[in-house]
Amino acid sequence: QVQLVQSGAEVKKPGASVKVSCKTSGYIFTNYGISWVRQAPGQGLEWMGWVSAYNDNRNYAQKFQGRVTMTADTSTSTAYMELRSLRSDDTAVYYCVRDQGRFDPWGQGTLVTVSS
Amino acid sequence: QSVLTQPPSASGAPGQRVTISCFGSSSNIGSNTVNWYQQLPGTAPKLLIYSDNQRPSGVPDRFSGSKSGTSASLAISGLQSEDEADYYCATWDHSLNGWVFGGGTKLTVL
Repeated sequence: QVQLVQSGAEVKKPGASVKVSCKTSGYIFTNYGISWVRQAPGQGLEWMGWVSAYNDNRNYAQKFQGRVTMTADTSTSTAYMELRSLRSDDTAVYYCVRDQGRFDPWGQGTLVTVSS
Repeated sequence: QSVLTQPPSASGAPGQRVTISCFGSSSNIGSNTVNWYQQLPGTAPKLLIYSDNQRPSGVPDRFSGSKSGTSASLAISGLQSEDEADYYCATWDHSLNGWVFGGGTKLTVL
């Protein structure tokens, strides 16, 4: 079955960077894109951007432009999301999702806590 | 402030029918299909409805979606206690060139 398994929780200081991985299985990695969605504590869902696993094209939400990098490693069928210059309001659960015009399935989520 | 507008809460008794609305604009719902996601407490969201009214395999037919103009709706009939969750609508926005979500609706089964 299709699975997206994310890396574990992270605690970072303000100004640091975090890189979250998303290991996929059960489908042809290069046939789909991967989007990243985050959810702050008690808040709703926020789309951060998308990376094509086929040709590495990217599309980032304007809010994260210049601060985020999304990549796709076809040799390991793994997607990555790096967020830089972390602030306290970046504390959230970060999800990777297979993007085919709809988000399905979702990874289990990675909690990133930004605290001094 | 979310681009798509949903009521923050909804409720119904077991067996009843509830609907959740999602309001957008011509740049999003008015020109693209709508997906709905269900997020049970403490879990990752799950695709519930896609392309306005299609159910993925395994989703009960108690769940249905519709769209008209710049608004969409999710209907849940025969409400069950396990339907207590947060529900989110989502679609592509041409002006923002990205996916947008509603703020989410917390459904309580009385």
